[in-house]
Amino acid sequence: GESVGLHLPTLSVQEGDNSIINCAYSNSASDYFIWYKQESGKGPQFIIDIRSNMDKRQGQRVTVLLNKTVKHLSLQIAATQPGDSAVYFCAEKTGANSKLTFGKGITLSVRP
Amino acid sequence: DADVTQTPRNRITKTGKRIMLECSQTKGHDRMYWYRQDPGLGLRLIYYSFDVKDINKGEISDGYSVSRQAQAKFSLSLESAIPNQTALYFCATSDRHWGEDGYTFGSGTRLTVV
Repeated sequence: GESVGLHLPTLSVQEGDNSIINCAYSNSASDYFIWYKQESGKGPQFIIDIRSNMDKRQGQRVTVLLNKTVKHLSLQIAATQPGDSAVYFCAEKTGANSKLTFGKGITLSVRP
Repeated sequence: DADVTQTPRNRITKTGKRIMLECSQTKGHDRMYWYRQDPGLGLRLIYYSFDVKDINKGEISDGYSVSRQAQAKFSLSLESAIPNQTALYFCATSDRHWGEDGYTFGSGTRLTVV
């Protein structure tokens, strides 16, 4: 079946470094992708999204890259801060009435 | 006040008991969802509703039921709770036109079935 997956379960980075979190998706018909951040004890929060007609989108300190050829999505966080420590989920949507399908999540740990 | 409010935040219940988790939203969104989160398994969809008269099963609906009482309210029931329903439950909402923020999640309900 179709699935959204993440390459690594945990990622540890030094404060101030850039972080890259990767996600593989398997449904080539997916038309919308979102990255969520979930802090301990809280619900997932929207970070950034990208539609399938784009290959890059930038936000404040975050950039999402979409490579439809290899069905790969990445989240880049510039100058990682302790407050970025959280679990990050990618999610994909296929079609106007579809629901989001979530990856299993990756934990980002920022070392001081 | 939060856009999506879940009650209770935490609940411990006994096997066989009926329990209801409630969700209310002030986003004005038509669509509401219930997800379950288990360690290592991500978020799995239980039920979803695209409007007040629309209820649909998700991938793991067995043992659960829902009620969409109004556009702003969507409750999840466990008719006879069992230990493997111990999990973190999230309610989410979305706009039918897929606005820029995708889903808005509540803060979750941590349910423990003993």
